[in-house]
Amino acid sequence: DIVMTQSPLSLPVTPGEPASISCRSSQSLLHNGNNFLDWYLQKPGKSPQLLIYLGSNRASGVPDRFSGSGSGTDFTLKISRVEAEDVGVYYCMQGLGRTFGQGTKLEIK
Amino acid sequence: EVQVVESGGGLVQPGGSLRLSCAASGFTVSNYAMTWVRQGPGKGLEWVSGIRGSGDTTVYADSVKGRFTISRDNSKNTLYLQMDSLRAEDTAVYYCAKAQQWLYTFDIWGQGTMVIVSS
Repeated sequence: DIVMTQSPLSLPVTPGEPASISCRSSQSLLHNGNNFLDWYLQKPGKSPQLLIYLGSNRASGVPDRFSGSGSGTDFTLKISRVEAEDVGVYYCMQGLGRTFGQGTKLEIK
Repeated sequence: EVQVVESGGGLVQPGGSLRLSCAASGFTVSNYAMTWVRQGPGKGLEWVSGIRGSGDTTVYADSVKGRFTISRDNSKNTLYLQMDSLRAEDTAVYYCAKAQQWLYTFDIWGQGTMVIVSS
């Protein structure tokens, strides 16, 4: 099974500052030219929502301060300027076998 | 509005059964892969099962294989998860989601339904 490892697991951020979350997979997620890696955000008390798909594509309605990058086994989710509404747990998920990372809890300082 | 709404959760004894439903609106479930994801109390997300739009392919996580069955009723535009031989470790919120592709990029999620397995 493909294992997904996120870091950090906790991320306190000052509003207006950037934030970055790393996601590493135990096997390459690059297949037929696509990186099968999605990012989700679960806000407190809510269902998960899709942020980024296939490594770097923003889902509909996702603000452009969110960006995804990486290829193969190393991926990063970046928030250019954190806002209060970005609080929650961020998960990466590999699409070849559907395993999630442990989650990264973003909180406001 | 495109949405899915889960129902059917509840309290069940170990070894018992429960059937979850996921009613879709704004799209046709037979045109998309659909999936179930669960989240144990205070835990992360765990993918559970998926079914192709055609219905001819189903997949399961090893943790539920042989005990859970995913299915679909096109006439009701509804997805199901039949859960048998339930264990305490199956206690979780179960989410239904629409997949953009087989079987990744889950773009529409429901609010979830809680399943508690306890005596």
